[in-house]
Amino acid sequence: NAGVTQTPKFQVLKTGQSMTLQCAQDMNHEYMSWYRQDPGMGLRLIHYSVGAGITDQGEVPNGYNVSRSTTEDFPLRLLSAAPSQTSVYFCASGGEARGPQHFGDGTRLSIL
Amino acid sequence: QQQVKQSPQSLIVQKGGISIINCAYENTAFDYFPWYQQFPGKGPALLIAIRPDVSEKKEGRFTISFNKSAKQFSLHIMDSQPGDSATYFCAASSKYNFNKFYFGSGTKLNVKP
Repeated sequence: NAGVTQTPKFQVLKTGQSMTLQCAQDMNHEYMSWYRQDPGMGLRLIHYSVGAGITDQGEVPNGYNVSRSTTEDFPLRLLSAAPSQTSVYFCASGGEARGPQHFGDGTRLSIL
Repeated sequence: QQQVKQSPQSLIVQKGGISIINCAYENTAFDYFPWYQQFPGKGPALLIAIRPDVSEKKEGRFTISFNKSAKQFSLHIMDSQPGDSATYFCAASSKYNFNKFYFGSGTKLNVKP
């Protein structure tokens, strides 16, 4: 059982480049979310989805886009990368309200 | 402005000692408070969670204490072990949007053998 799979694990981008971080879960969870983790800041919610076709903004949505066309996948798009987006990105999924969120192992993104 | 304030930032405890991590919040709509444990290179994993209708919840060596009037909650790790060395995050979500979680800044725990 793979759980939540994030790809790639590491990525280096130049300012202005675009890229998509992939997230897939095999637990048939309705709820999926994206966080960024920065030193001293904890995890901050970027975007989340409560089901296919439904997305909403979190605390820090600017500079990021998401879509949810299937239950399994929830990609995060950076349209024009900026150095301030250098971070570790985590995707999570959850199967029930108030239930545990299952996190992937993260994507470490550096923007030069 | 961080919705959930966590302290201390780092903590060193001897093996067998008690580790205590504190969190505070202002939003009275928060009604679900999970704690997550994260090892280096891994994503966070749920450790234990509490609702405000109870003042304490215990699972093995891990206990959450909750003070609703003070808007504070804390994690106690009894008989701390080197394997507990990790970063711990508290979090909260609101009864009006329980899909939206706010995390504290994290506490890096080091348990010395």
